[in-house]
Amino acid sequence: ETGVTQTPRHLVMGMTNKKSLKCEQHLGHNAMYWYKQSAKKPLELMFVYSLEERVENNSVPSRFSPECPNSSHLFLHLHTLQPEDSALYLCASSHIQGEGTDTQYFGPGTRLTVL
Amino acid sequence: KNEVEQSPQNLTAQEGEFITINCSYSVGISALHWLQQHPGGGIVSLFMLSSGKKKHGRLIATINIQEKHSSLHITASHPRDSAVYICAVPNAGGTSYGKLTFGQGTILTVHP
Repeated sequence: ETGVTQTPRHLVMGMTNKKSLKCEQHLGHNAMYWYKQSAKKPLELMFVYSLEERVENNSVPSRFSPECPNSSHLFLHLHTLQPEDSALYLCASSHIQGEGTDTQYFGPGTRLTVL
Repeated sequence: KNEVEQSPQNLTAQEGEFITINCSYSVGISALHWLQQHPGGGIVSLFMLSSGKKKHGRLIATINIQEKHSSLHITASHPRDSAVYICAVPNAGGTSYGKLTFGQGTILTVHP
C-alpha cells in the first residue's frame, strides 16, 4: 500500500475521446505532481500543485488539463490526444516546506495508449 | 536545469554479486534521491540523502557533495532486485516546490 492510488491502471483511447486520470493521496501531503514516462526516456515533470494551486506547468500542451479540487485529489483531463502521448502517467505527492525537497511518494501509474 | 547522468545504463549480474550504480549531477544540491521502478511501473523511493552514507537492508547509498556524485550499492544481489534504479536531484535555480530532474535510469537484471 503506497498511500497514493491512481485510476484507471490502463486506458486505451482514440484521438477524439475525452478521458480523465485520477490520483488520490492518503498521506496528508500538501503537494501533488503529474509525471509522464515515455519508453526509454527519463521521467518528465508535467505539473505541480502546491496547496491546491498550480505552481508549475512544464510546457505541457493544452490537450492535457490538470485539476486539483483539494489537497488529496488530482486529476488529469485528456482530450484530442495524439499517438505520441501514449506513455505511463505517474502521480506523486510530497510534503513541501519552504525550499525543501521531501521524499515523493508515487502512485502505480496509468498506462495510456492512444490509437 | 540540473543535468543528471547515470551509469551504467544496463547492468546484468549473477545472484550474490555486489552491485554499484553511479549518478553524477551538474549543479550543487541540498539532497539527492534514489528511486526503484519495478516492471509494471510502480516507483518506490529508496533514499533521500544530503551527505555521507545511508543504509537500508542490503542497499547502501553514498554521496560526495563536493564531487557532485552519488552511488547506490546492493550487497548480495538477488533476482528480486531486478528493476530500474533512478537517481533524481532538485531542479537548479528558482523556487523548487519539490521539482526534481531525473536520470535516465539503470536497468538491473540479476540472474539466479
